Amino acid sequence: AQKITQTQPGMFVQEKEAVTLDCTYDTSDPSYGLFWYKQPSSGEMIFLIYQGSYDQQNATEGRYSLNFQKARKSANLVISASQLGDSAMYFCAMSENSGGSNYKLTFGKGTLLTVNP
Amino acid sequence: GAGVSQSPSNKVTEKGKDVELRCDPISGHTALYWYRQSLGQGLEFLIYFQGNSAPDKSGLPSDRFSAERTGGSVSTLTIQRTQQEDSAVYLCASSPRTAPPDTQYFGPGTRLTVL
Repeated sequence: AQKITQTQPGMFVQEKEAVTLDCTYDTSDPSYGLFWYKQPSSGEMIFLIYQGSYDQQNATEGRYSLNFQKARKSANLVISASQLGDSAMYFCAMSENSGGSNYKLTFGKGTLLTVNP
Repeated sequence: GAGVSQSPSNKVTEKGKDVELRCDPISGHTALYWYRQSLGQGLEFLIYFQGNSAPDKSGLPSDRFSAERTGGSVSTLTIQRTQQEDSAVYLCASSPRTAPPDTQYFGPGTRLTVL
């Protein structure tokens, strides 16, 4: 079973509008972290935002916010006021730690966001 | 400051040859990860290094893959007797191993093509 599910292979949004990218996850570990990364066509993975499983408030970083619904195991990324430069692949990822020190990331398959002028 | 760097950026090799991919992590970051990104499998964890501890090799797909990290800094991923299915982008990431979020910062990757 997939640990991270991104159900939207592609999304389109008009410039200056908001867009939500969906992510659901599956884990039995009470301690985990959720990340969103952006990968432009250049290929580099750019860290956007983090949400810890024990965080009470939704994370925000500038135009990015994470809509964390723990009971539903969802961690959707909201991008406000979309810009042309936001066009990229977006990956949701989860880190788990079950006693060791390896916080390896498990990634979803990604959502390709296209911002239209 | 300088980010994670990887070399070469592109590597084309013939089936059966050995290749070495290099990663320079962010200075001071003690944790280093290798991932592979391919069309069919998405992003997969390969190997993890933390300080002087034994690496976690649980993600390596076969014994043709190995990696080392010298002096707790630079890491080299070696693929022996390359196969066409090894074609992928190999990404390296480092993290400071502080309290959460312990964010991993990625390099630009090495695109490997096996002919």
